[in-house]
Amino acid sequence: DAKTTQPNSMESNEEEPVHLPCNHSTISGTDYIHWYRQLPSQGPEYVIHGLTSNVNNRMASLAIAEDRKSSTLILHRATLRDAAVYYCILSDWNRDDKIIFGKGTRLHILP
Amino acid sequence: GAGVSQSPRYKVAKRGQDVALRCDPISGHVSLFWYQQALGQGPEFLTYFQNEAQLDKSGLPSDRFFAERPEGSVSTLKIQRTQQEDSAVYLCASSSTGFDTGELFFGEGSRLTVL
Repeated sequence: DAKTTQPNSMESNEEEPVHLPCNHSTISGTDYIHWYRQLPSQGPEYVIHGLTSNVNNRMASLAIAEDRKSSTLILHRATLRDAAVYYCILSDWNRDDKIIFGKGTRLHILP
Repeated sequence: GAGVSQSPRYKVAKRGQDVALRCDPISGHVSLFWYQQALGQGPEFLTYFQNEAQLDKSGLPSDRFFAERPEGSVSTLKIQRTQQEDSAVYLCASSSTGFDTGELFFGEGSRLTVL
């Protein structure tokens, strides 16, 4: 199974952009890149997903490297509410893969 | 309802008791997933339903764990003869599509504590 590597934790200041990195050097051509986040005492929440092109939605942007071996989740203006664990996940649409969570990155937002 | 609903939110069981955890997915969602989340860890996949069919139960940790979704809507996760290592948050998620082609919507979870 393709794996992802994320930093254990990151800090950012409130109202500044946040770039959360994810390495996935063994990604296959049919792997989607998904991001979920989990706020304290809540279930995970979908953030964004993509295959090859960069993606934008109301929550965030996903920048995918040209070789697809890494990606970056971008929160354009962090708020205290964005403090959460962020999970970067690969799943192969061709094999009907499950969404498998790793340990993620714990993001701390400083007021 | 508007989202995935799980009950009970909190359950305390004595070791050896049987427990049942309920999940009401978003109306019309065909896919339903159960995950187990131990303290400080990411959620771990347990099982997956498409309508009433249980297509994948590879993550169930032992034969004490059983899940069903008889009418393709509400699902129940049953744990027999609970052990202390079963203490975790049990998360349910639903999706309008399959595994990875869309967004999973999660409930808030059921926190099980086994004494």
